[in-house]
Amino acid sequence: QSVLTQPPSASGTPGQRVTISCSGSRYNIESNTVHWYQQIPGTAPKLLIYSSNQRPSGVPDRFSGSKSGTSASLAISGLQSEDEADYFCAAWDDSLNGVIFGGGTKLTVL
Amino acid sequence: QVQLVQSGAEMKKPGASVKVSCKASGNTVTDYYFHWVRQAPGQGLEWLGRIDRRTGRTDYGKIFQGRVTMTRDSSISTAYMELTRLTSDDTAVYYCARGSGKGAYPLFYGLDVWGQGTTVIVSS
Repeated sequence: QSVLTQPPSASGTPGQRVTISCSGSRYNIESNTVHWYQQIPGTAPKLLIYSSNQRPSGVPDRFSGSKSGTSASLAISGLQSEDEADYFCAAWDDSLNGVIFGGGTKLTVL
Repeated sequence: QVQLVQSGAEMKKPGASVKVSCKASGNTVTDYYFHWVRQAPGQGLEWLGRIDRRTGRTDYGKIFQGRVTMTRDSSISTAYMELTRLTSDDTAVYYCARGSGKGAYPLFYGLDVWGQGTTVIVSS
């Protein structure tokens, strides 16, 4: 059972804007930074967003992150077929003294 | 640019141990931790722990404490993760990843570089 809660699935059509939520607690999201990872099946996860709203170099600005209180979200605008993947949120948890992940959201581009 | 290259796939019997290596290449001057994350077939990501590449200090995930040991050999920029008393539930792809903190945040920059993954199958 994941400590961070994500919807198991999301979908959108090309060009649309999609948002994926991630819910936690004061021990993780509220008191630490949130990260988002994209995983194409069969490959290693790739960092999409760090420090809640920062993009590593090379990540398109179609991807954006935000955080408020004990929740965070990932927004993908101008949805493209290659965005079809699994998305995971993660954060450090002060009570567990470790990294926790959300259960993942499978994004389907219709 | 740091790259992480992991050791090859392993097949183990229940009760055995497995040791996976992760070698860093490229710019290894900066301070960071090696983190270990696993993913069981069709499942999400699970954190096993981390080791400071410079000091060797470790933090382990609570459910793995007593069963996991992380070490590193700074001279060859390699980290190791050993998991003992394997069961079929340990069948997964094991990843190493680089993570570093800033100020009060232990993982400010996220896990920004990942190894290719090592498949561990536990079966009798």
